Amino acid sequence: AQKVTQTQTSISVMEKTTVTMDCVYETQDSSYFLFWYKQTASGEIVFLIRQDSYKKENATVGHYSLNFQKPKSSIGLIITATQIEDSAVYFCAMREGTGNTRKLIFGLGTTLQVQP
Amino acid sequence: DMKVTQMPRYLIKRMGENVLLECGQDMSHETMYWYRQDPGLGLQLIYISYDVDSNSEGDIPKGYRVSRKKREHFSLILDSAKTNQTSVYFCASRTGRGGQLYFGEGSKLTVL
Repeated sequence: AQKVTQTQTSISVMEKTTVTMDCVYETQDSSYFLFWYKQTASGEIVFLIRQDSYKKENATVGHYSLNFQKPKSSIGLIITATQIEDSAVYFCAMREGTGNTRKLIFGLGTTLQVQP
Repeated sequence: DMKVTQMPRYLIKRMGENVLLECGQDMSHETMYWYRQDPGLGLQLIYISYDVDSNSEGDIPKGYRVSRKKREHFSLILDSAKTNQTSVYFCASRTGRGGQLYFGEGSKLTVL
């Protein structure tokens, strides 16, 4: 069964610094998709970035990037030059690529607080 | 404009009453989801719909049922709501294989 674990419950950083949020996953599938989502204080959930398991290059979108370590089943989210508005809850998620199920399973989230 | 719309946004019901949560999307996405979010439990998958009248249980389907009669519309139904179904419910739709989810704004349900 697939599983996603985020061990950091909360992180506090100073504005303009770099933060890394950890995520490890479990899957029996050889093909899978990994995602990071952000939930703002208003409750809105938005997609940030994605990594396909077959791609060796780490995905980058704006000031978000991923540290994909496939042998360790790890997909870390890196936010550079953090801003106050990056304060939110960040969820890691995984979807297996084969089979009939299209479940997207989420971790419990990491709360990021960016201090001025 | 890619949008997932949930109605109602807030709902208060008494235990034993029926609840209908509705979700619409304007992107012609085949796959849609219902999740519930509770403090400390994250987002838990209730049901997945692969297309019209093609639905599958998620991880916590007990006490819920769904209906999808049109591709753009996916409903979550609670027959005889229970107090432990108090939660925030999110609908989402997905673009393509491996694509990301687009979430609605959530529906906060309180069952008294």
